[in-house]
Amino acid sequence: EAGVTQFPSHSVIEKGQTVTLRCDPISGHDNLYWYRRVMGKEIKFLLHFVKESKQDESGMPNNRFLAERTGGTYSTLKVQPAELEDSGVYFCASSVTGRNSPLHFGNGTRLTVT
Amino acid sequence: AQSVAQPEDQVNVAEGNPLTVKCTYSVSGNPYLFWYVQYPNRGLQFLLKYITGDNLVKGSYGFEAEFNKSQTSFHLKNPSALVSDSALYFCAVRDDTNAGKSTFGDGTTLTVKP
Repeated sequence: EAGVTQFPSHSVIEKGQTVTLRCDPISGHDNLYWYRRVMGKEIKFLLHFVKESKQDESGMPNNRFLAERTGGTYSTLKVQPAELEDSGVYFCASSVTGRNSPLHFGNGTRLTVT
Repeated sequence: AQSVAQPEDQVNVAEGNPLTVKCTYSVSGNPYLFWYVQYPNRGLQFLLKYITGDNLVKGSYGFEAEFNKSQTSFHLKNPSALVSDSALYFCAVRDDTNAGKSTFGDGTTLTVKP
């Protein structure tokens, strides 16, 4: 099966610009998650979709971040306007339903805001 | 609230020697525990998960993890390390009250020297 794919792999933007990250989960995975790792520290939860609905967006840092999941398929994470502290690696993961179901991760998008 | 601690940033072992990567957790309900591995410029890959009732869980690439309920620990072990095991290892937990979100530790860098 095809894995989780993320695009772009790298993005360098200036402060104040807009960036949109995309994630294509594994087909059939209802659960889609966004995580972020900043400065080599812990992997922090951003939000969780079940199909097209936001199940939990408690980790979204502020209203500059907007996530969508069109038709329960791919997801986008938009940062507008970007700030320096938004730099980091953004990971998308998907899973089947179940507390014991492991996450399947994409390779991440490395975002650098200058 | 759930949390994970990986007390060691780095673990260094010689090839052929046993290794342990430590993880302790805190959850409100029953724990659902996972280990993931990350190789450079790649996403996290699932290694193994705790299965209720099994205090020793076997996973991929010769790894296993020992669950200890009284110490709230889930240490990753390998009886004979390989140079190719060198990578970044993350412990993660979910609980009954927060089935969607996984919480990750800060990660431990394992270096296996020939």
